[in-house]
Amino acid sequence: AQSVAQPEDQVNVAEGNPLTVKCTYSVSGNPYLFWYVQYPNRGLQFLLKYITGDNLVKGSYGFEAEFNKSQTSFHLKKPSALVSDSALYFCAVRDAGGSTLGRLYFGRGTQLTVWP
Amino acid sequence: DAGVTQSPTHLIKTRGQQVTLRCSPKSGHDTVSWYQQALGQGPQFIFQYYEEEERQRGNFPDRFSGHQFPNYSSELNVNALLLGDSALYLCASRQRTGALTNSYEQYFGPGTRLTVT
Repeated sequence: AQSVAQPEDQVNVAEGNPLTVKCTYSVSGNPYLFWYVQYPNRGLQFLLKYITGDNLVKGSYGFEAEFNKSQTSFHLKKPSALVSDSALYFCAVRDAGGSTLGRLYFGRGTQLTVWP
Repeated sequence: DAGVTQSPTHLIKTRGQQVTLRCSPKSGHDTVSWYQQALGQGPQFIFQYYEEEERQRGNFPDRFSGHQFPNYSSELNVNALLLGDSALYLCASRQRTGALTNSYEQYFGPGTRLTVT
């Protein structure tokens, strides 16, 4: 069964410092991996995805993520955090095994707080 | 280009009542999925509609039902509401017809906040 784990409920970082939000996954086949961000009282906004190819994926707002197959991880990173990055971040996985139905499995979310 | 829209924004219902939530997909999209996001949790898949039929369903009881219209918009209906149905209900859409690969992403609406008292 597919699942996603976000081991940290909260991540706190100072503005200008690098940030990492961790995600590990479990799927039966090759994974399609996604990061979404949620601001208060808003829906989910797509940040980036890994489908195949280069293990380092670049996305919106300066975020990037590194796919590591051996560690089944897909950590979200940003070289220099901004206060406006403070939000709830979700990692999600979709089984690539031939299905086009597209069900996403989400982690519990990580609250990122960037202080000035 | 309009994104995914949902209505209403907020809703308060009493236990045992029925509720209908609505979703209009992003322009050009033909597939709609519904997710439930309880407080402090990640979104959980309810079901997906394509060509006006339910194509896939998550682990939700039959009290949760849906519909897709010819214009691709969708409704989520919940009968016999329970306190535990209080959550943010998210609609997501994507284009399935003509998609050559699985490398699409889904676009989410702002959600409907349902409170059951």
